[in-house]
Amino acid sequence: DGGITQSPKYLFRKEGQNVTLSCEQNLNHDAMYWYRQDPGQGLRLIYYSQIVNDFQKGDIAEGYSVSREKKESFPLTVTSAQKNPTAFYLCASSIDPRGQPQHFGDGTRLSIL
Amino acid sequence: GENVEQHPSTLSVQEGDSAVIKCTYSDSASNYFPWYKQELGKRPQLIIDIRSNVGEKKDQRIAVTLNKTAKHFSLHITETQPEDSAVYFCAARGRRGGKLIFGQGTELSVKP
Repeated sequence: DGGITQSPKYLFRKEGQNVTLSCEQNLNHDAMYWYRQDPGQGLRLIYYSQIVNDFQKGDIAEGYSVSREKKESFPLTVTSAQKNPTAFYLCASSIDPRGQPQHFGDGTRLSIL
Repeated sequence: GENVEQHPSTLSVQEGDSAVIKCTYSDSASNYFPWYKQELGKRPQLIIDIRSNVGEKKDQRIAVTLNKTAKHFSLHITETQPEDSAVYFCAARGRRGGKLIFGQGTELSVKP
């Protein structure tokens, strides 16, 4: 969907470095989500936010942090505590917190240098 | 905890045949079940969804059936075409807010 923009498309992280993935939406959606996708696996929820200034941990939040200061933005920081960060990261949004349906951005592929 | 099991993990069919992918969910309170199609390196795209108050929904060559008693739902693709080749994910909305629990995915290959 053109309304959800993730950047950058590719990102490389050095050892001990924090990196931030951007997710912006112009759909006026209340809820936003971050998923991690590993090869041959389904999507696993990292964090989600149902409303501005509020967010909750998903199933694999360790080593990640988020903020939701603006409705349209939900950046994800991959910290140095995340020891296996190489994956495809997908941001999604939905019009309301019940999450029906969720629409995805094009993703960011993160690799270790 | 909440869980969605999806089978098979890979599926190969001849063009024109039907394909069926099945998912089972653990949370009996789940009431929304979307299906996504993901082509290689691209975003998942919603192709069809169903709510727990109906047993079947159809959109052209795609249909989804839901059995709440057995806690499973299936995706049916008829008259498959090579462009249907992709990874398909099922999901179920869990108890907590808008959280979706995804299945592990099915890689569908349609051979011309």
